[in-house]
Amino acid sequence: QVQLKESGPGLVQPSQTLSLTCTVSGFSLTSNSVHWVRQPPGKGLEWVGAIWSGGSTDYNSALKSRLSISRDTSKSQVFLKMNSLQTEDTAIYFCTRSEYTTDYPDYWGQGVMVTVSS
Amino acid sequence: DIQMTQSPSVLSASVGDRVTLNCKASQNINKYLNWYQQKLGEAPKLLIYNTNNLQTGIPSRFSGSGSGTDYTLTISSLQPEDVATYFCFQHNSWPLTFGSGTKLEIK
Repeated sequence: QVQLKESGPGLVQPSQTLSLTCTVSGFSLTSNSVHWVRQPPGKGLEWVGAIWSGGSTDYNSALKSRLSISRDTSKSQVFLKMNSLQTEDTAIYFCTRSEYTTDYPDYWGQGVMVTVSS
Repeated sequence: DIQMTQSPSVLSASVGDRVTLNCKASQNINKYLNWYQQKLGEAPKLLIYNTNNLQTGIPSRFSGSGSGTDYTLTISSLQPEDVATYFCFQHNSWPLTFGSGTKLEIK
């Protein structure tokens, strides 16, 4: 069945770079897309960006200058890198899937909490 | 960016009630509107896609409607397990955007 699992450091210092990995199973990254969505504690959802089945990417315009999403299809992994982290980047980060014929998340990972603090 | 405004922010209703949640886009989103349900401590779950299509496995008491800039999610008979926050989401234009959510409570 479709599964996604996020991993990464729970704590990042301000101004440093966040690196997260989404490991997927039950579907192929070459025929499905992966989105990242984040949620600050007690707040709403924010779409971060996506890597499409063909390998192209789209990013939230507010984060674009600090953000990079890539993948390793042989390992079924998608990577998020965000630099110059600030306390406002503290959030649960979810990776999600969208099917080839759609552009919206259907299956979601459990999320990983990232705290930006010194 | 398209802004998504949900109302009300908190809704309290009784078991068995018919409940309507609203979502308004800042411009026409051509029915590319989804609804997600998030229970406390869990990841969001897709309920409805493209305005009125029920995702597989979702109970038929959930339904969606709307067009242009105005959309609604209706629960025909509220159940205790429906306590959650509901988010609308537009995928008509980049960047994709979520509403701020409606928290649904049981009276």
